[in-house]
Amino acid sequence: SQQGEEDPQALSIQEGENATMNCSYKTSINNLQWYRQNSGRGLVHLILIRSNEREKHSGRLRVTLDTSKKSSSLLITASRAADTASYFCATEVSGGYNKLIFGAGTRLAVHP
Amino acid sequence: ETGVTQTPRHLVMGMTNKKSLKCEQHLGHNAMYWYKQSAKKPLELMFVYNFKEQTENNSVPSRFSPECPNSSHLFLHLHTLQPEDSALYLCASSHSGILAGADEQYFGPGTRLTVT
Repeated sequence: SQQGEEDPQALSIQEGENATMNCSYKTSINNLQWYRQNSGRGLVHLILIRSNEREKHSGRLRVTLDTSKKSSSLLITASRAADTASYFCATEVSGGYNKLIFGAGTRLAVHP
Repeated sequence: ETGVTQTPRHLVMGMTNKKSLKCEQHLGHNAMYWYKQSAKKPLELMFVYNFKEQTENNSVPSRFSPECPNSSHLFLHLHTLQPEDSALYLCASSHSGILAGADEQYFGPGTRLTVT
């Protein structure tokens, strides 16, 4: 069964609004990563948060991690049309070095 | 440009053909990966190589055969594929996480494979 599951599956917002995507996972992890993918292209790493961290920021991105609830969220503030893409969380399971398990992703559409 | 290149970008092959996908990274990484991305399915890890040694084979059918001659190059040899193997095949690289945990992965643009 899938380790990471994103919610919602699809999100449609207007430019300037904030976008929040959630990820839940099942087993203990070493770290959790968020990636972005433009249609039919390779994935681009956005941010990595380790299991002993609770929050990280990078530009307009804010990631939180709650290991007790086995969940993470990605917040994109002041969204832009260029943020339109699919966003994936990926977890490195404890004891599974270099092995990332990806979720199904959230498709974000930002309308001008 | 992520520093990871893949060729070809598009490939159409019949079920009896033999072809190879190539991946090259210019980042000095020592871990490389093959992933399969099918429509409406999560990204599936296929193989992991650390320091040229295969450390993960995620129950991939033998019609997919990986090869890692050095830390910069990774191949995926394909033979007698099935139509359901049509997908986007992505290569990625990273610093080896054997001691410190998984690092961020850098992905190539992918090869769009269609099996007819």
